[in-house]
Parts: sequence; C-alpha cells; structure tokens
Amino acid sequence: DAMVIQNPRYQVTQFGKPVTLSCSQTLNHNVMYWYQQKSSQAPKLLFHYYDKDFNNEADTPDNFQSRRPNTSFCFLDIRSPGLGDAAMYLCATSRKGAFETQYFGPGTRLLVL
Amino acid sequence: GQQVMQIPQYQHVQEGEDFTTYCNSSTTLSNIQWYKQRPGGHPVFLIQLVKSGEVKKQKRLTFQFGEAKKNSSLHITATQTTDVGTYFCAGPAGSARQLTFGSGTQLTVLP
Repeated sequence: DAMVIQNPRYQVTQFGKPVTLSCSQTLNHNVMYWYQQKSSQAPKLLFHYYDKDFNNEADTPDNFQSRRPNTSFCFLDIRSPGLGDAAMYLCATSRKGAFETQYFGPGTRLLVL
Repeated sequence: GQQVMQIPQYQHVQEGEDFTTYCNSSTTLSNIQWYKQRPGGHPVFLIQLVKSGEVKKQKRLTFQFGEAKKNSSLHITATQTTDVGTYFCAGPAGSARQLTFGSGTQLTVLP
C-alpha cells in the first residue's frame, strides 16, 4: 500500500546532540510537510517542500533544518536539541497543497535527555 | 495571522450520547478539512467541505460548513468507544500549500 513512513518511531537523544529524523513516501506527492506536536496540542507546521522549493515558517527556530534529496525522502535535522524540543514529529504529504488531503506518517517521538 | 479555534477543548460523554465540536476561523476559508487523531496515533483525514452551507454525512458523523465559510461543525450521533480521540479542523493558510489546524477537541467516551 502507498504510504508515508517515518523512522525511527522513537528517538532518544542527549541535550545538544544532533539528531536526524527521516520520512519517506510512496504516494509520489509534490508537497511534504514537517510538523511538531506537543502533548494535547495541535500539529504545528515547521516547514514544507513543494518539490524542491523549501518554505520555512517564520517562527521555526534556526535549530531546525530540513533536506529533501528527492521526491520520496525528506529529513528533519535538529542541530542542537533542547529539552523543549521533546515532542512528536509528524511528516505529511499532499499531492499539491491545502486544497487536498494531507496524509500523515505515524510520527517519531523524540525524547531529549 | 489566521486563527482557527475549536470548542470545546475537552468533552467527556457517556457511550450512546451525542457529541458536537465547533470550529471557527478568523478568516473566510476556501475549504475546511477534518482530521481524527486517536490516542498515540497520527491525524487521519476524515472529510473536506468546500461549498457554503455544505453538509456531508459519514455514517454517524455529520459535518457542516457555515454559510459564511468561517465556521464548521462535526456532530457524532450515538457515540461509541471507537470514537475516542482528538478531532481537528484545518483550513488553508498563508500560501495555498499549508493548513492551519484548529486547537482540537479531545473526546472521551465512557462505557
């Protein structure tokens, strides 16, 4: 089945130690999104790619970076994780944008020690 | 910037009771989407509404889009324990590629 896959499902890192989360999709969608979701809150958009066009949200910290080497894969790099970065990170895709369904991956839960 | 609010934030119901969550946007929306997130899970698309005053039904779920396209509601008839989760509305924001998610309503169904 076509889907959005995220690895790992759980990630433990140390304060200040860089970490990379990965997302892949078999839907061949143009748009890929990264969201941060903290407990009992709505998903918060960090950035998105339309094909290779990168779009950063104004309030996304510089500590967060992203790469999309090809249509199928997208990575979230956290350069120096702080305790406040502990959260669920959700990857999503859509064919073209906000007028269409977003398909979410299962998420990666990040714990910062 | 655009804000999308939902009420209530939390709702506890007895199994079999009805449930409604309301979504209000500070701006007119071209469309509104609803997602459900089970505890420990990820958001899953439920439905999209596009037309002013549109009403759509999925079994026990009824979705409405307001005439002014600034509000929406989700009504569940005769809740079941499988309805447990957080329901989010979401509308286009900023560029045409982004969604702004509402604050969500967390539904608990007591058996």
